[in-house]
Amino acid sequence: DQQVKQNSPSLSVQEGRISILNCDYTNSMFDYFLWYKKYPAEGPTFLISISSIKDKNEDGRFTVFLNKSAKHLSLHIVPSQPGDSAVYFCAASDPGGYQKVTFGTGTKLQVIP
Amino acid sequence: KAGVTQTPRYLIKTRGQQVTLSCSPISGHRSVSWYQQTPGQGLQFLFEYFSETQRNKGNFPGRFSGRQFSNSRSEMNVSTLELGDSALYLCASSFLGVYEQYFGPGTRLTVT
Repeated sequence: DQQVKQNSPSLSVQEGRISILNCDYTNSMFDYFLWYKKYPAEGPTFLISISSIKDKNEDGRFTVFLNKSAKHLSLHIVPSQPGDSAVYFCAASDPGGYQKVTFGTGTKLQVIP
Repeated sequence: KAGVTQTPRYLIKTRGQQVTLSCSPISGHRSVSWYQQTPGQGLQFLFEYFSETQRNKGNFPGRFSGRQFSNSRSEMNVSTLELGDSALYLCASSFLGVYEQYFGPGTRLTVT
């Protein structure tokens, strides 16, 4: 049972435009959400996070939006740059799970120069 | 500050054999988690250790086990390897109570 879902396996965006990566979850107990970026032959790198008490968090070009009623979050990258080309993983954690984090299957973003 | 290190980086084993993978967390990080990454499955949580105790375990068979040492270094072991165990095994460390994890580069295990 995939509790964190990223339904788009891939996404292509022109350089300078907005990239929007989506993530849905089913476990209403999740209270903290994270996005990681992964380049080939490297481990994932933490990008940005959001607590369930917020609906938006920004860090430079990256913004994460959380819609709790829809159990949906999204990552916006503006403007997109070729160096953003990577696999992006959405992840979630619940307070009862200590530091158990559930990851989605990833979305491969390609930013075209 | 040194990052998370994992050894070996690549490994080829035969079905039925066993394998041990090693992870050294970032200095000061006492929580260590292990994940299996396969194409189309994302990162599947294996287990998490803190202070030499396994606190969480994912839905993997008992062939997958791990341990943590007093210096927070961790090992995971897979016995009786199957072809389906071929994957990238990732180790991540963090401070206690912090969800943001730092990942190592992974160990690529191929079972033939």
